[in-house]
Amino acid sequence: GENVEQHPSTLSVQEGDSAVIKCTYSDSASNYFPWYKQELGKRPQLIIDIRSNVGEKKDQRIAVTLNKTAKHFSLHITETQPEDSAVYFCAASKAGNMLTFGGGTRLMVKP
Amino acid sequence: EPEVTQTPSHQVTQMGQEVILRCVPISNHLYFYWYRQILGQKVEFLVSFYNNEISEKSEIFDDQFSVERPDGSNFTLKIRSTKLEDSAMYFCASRLTGANYGYTFGSGTRLTVV
Repeated sequence: GENVEQHPSTLSVQEGDSAVIKCTYSDSASNYFPWYKQELGKRPQLIIDIRSNVGEKKDQRIAVTLNKTAKHFSLHITETQPEDSAVYFCAASKAGNMLTFGGGTRLMVKP
Repeated sequence: EPEVTQTPSHQVTQMGQEVILRCVPISNHLYFYWYRQILGQKVEFLVSFYNNEISEKSEIFDDQFSVERPDGSNFTLKIRSTKLEDSAMYFCASRLTGANYGYTFGSGTRLTVV
């Protein structure tokens, strides 16, 4: 089955800096790659997603890039703010079916 | 914005007891899921449900688990005989159609088995 590796497990940045989180996946048939933000004790919330027919997608300060050949995708957050502090999970799936999640990255943005 | 509703928010149960976790997916969504998250760990897939039947299930979803959509609105997860290791946050999720991949997760039920 699919295996998703995520790194780093923790990331500390200064407010205003950029943050990059990387994921690799194993199943070349996976074609949907969402990113979720999870605050303590809360539900995962979709922040951005990308399908395999697109190499990059941007939404304000958040962008995701996908390299299908290398089977990796990355989340980029620019101009980080303290409210960006949370655990971020990447995931992969085939056609939106079962999501296989990465292990999560705890992002801490220091004011 | 439509929400996926889960009840209860927290359930404490004795080992060996049966529990039923309840979910009300978004009304026009067609695909339903249960995931769990052990404290401090990643979210893990349990089961997916479409057209009144299970479409996929993970190794975690053994004979102790079952799902049901009893009345066209609720979507339940039953654990027949709970074990200590079933303690986790259980998330229900739904999505609209086959072409719309985006999930909406519920707020979760924290299950504590003592």
